[in-house]
Amino acid sequence: NAGVTQTPKFQVLKTGQSMTLQCAQDMNHNSMYWYRQDPGMGLRLIYYSASEGTTDKGEVPNGYNVSRLNKREFSLRLESAAPSQTSVYFCASTPQPGQEGEQYFGPGTRLTVT
Amino acid sequence: DQQVKQNSPSLSVQEGRISILNCDYTNSMFDYFLWYKKYPAEGPTFLISISSIKDKNEDGRFTVFLNKSAKHLSLHIVPSQPGDSAVYFCAATVFGGATNKLIFGTGTLLAVQP
Repeated sequence: NAGVTQTPKFQVLKTGQSMTLQCAQDMNHNSMYWYRQDPGMGLRLIYYSASEGTTDKGEVPNGYNVSRLNKREFSLRLESAAPSQTSVYFCASTPQPGQEGEQYFGPGTRLTVT
Repeated sequence: DQQVKQNSPSLSVQEGRISILNCDYTNSMFDYFLWYKKYPAEGPTFLISISSIKDKNEDGRFTVFLNKSAKHLSLHIVPSQPGDSAVYFCAATVFGGATNKLIFGTGTLLAVQP
């Protein structure tokens, strides 16, 4: 099992460009999450999908959109990138809310917006 | 408003000694707490958790203590090893909810000196 995979690992964008961060998990998990990590801020939840077909906003959703393509895949889209979106982005999954507390994280995507 | 706080950005200990990492929370609805470990350029990995019905949970060299009245938890690592050098995040959630959303602290960088 690969666990949670993310592509790309690194990306540099110019202000105003768009891109999609991809995430996939092979653990048959129901719930998936997108976080961003910034220095001194910990991990902050951007969007989550409690189950296939549903998505909801987290703490910091502005400037992002998500798609739960199927049970395995959950993508994060930046429509018009801004320097404030320079961050490390992590995708995570969990089997079933309420049954297991821990989330399993991918290796991250380091995004720089110039 | 930071619901989960780790007030020590860094901690340095000698190999073989005890490492104590602290975490405070403000939301009394939280009933499940987790510690994650993160190495540079990797995603966070789950370390240990505790439910609010317990005040201690032990797993090998790692023990988490929960003081509900003080809204405080701590992670003890005994004995500390150089491989434990990493950033440690505490996280909290309301277990049994529909989403398992985790609220993370800002992290503590642990350096274990050989």
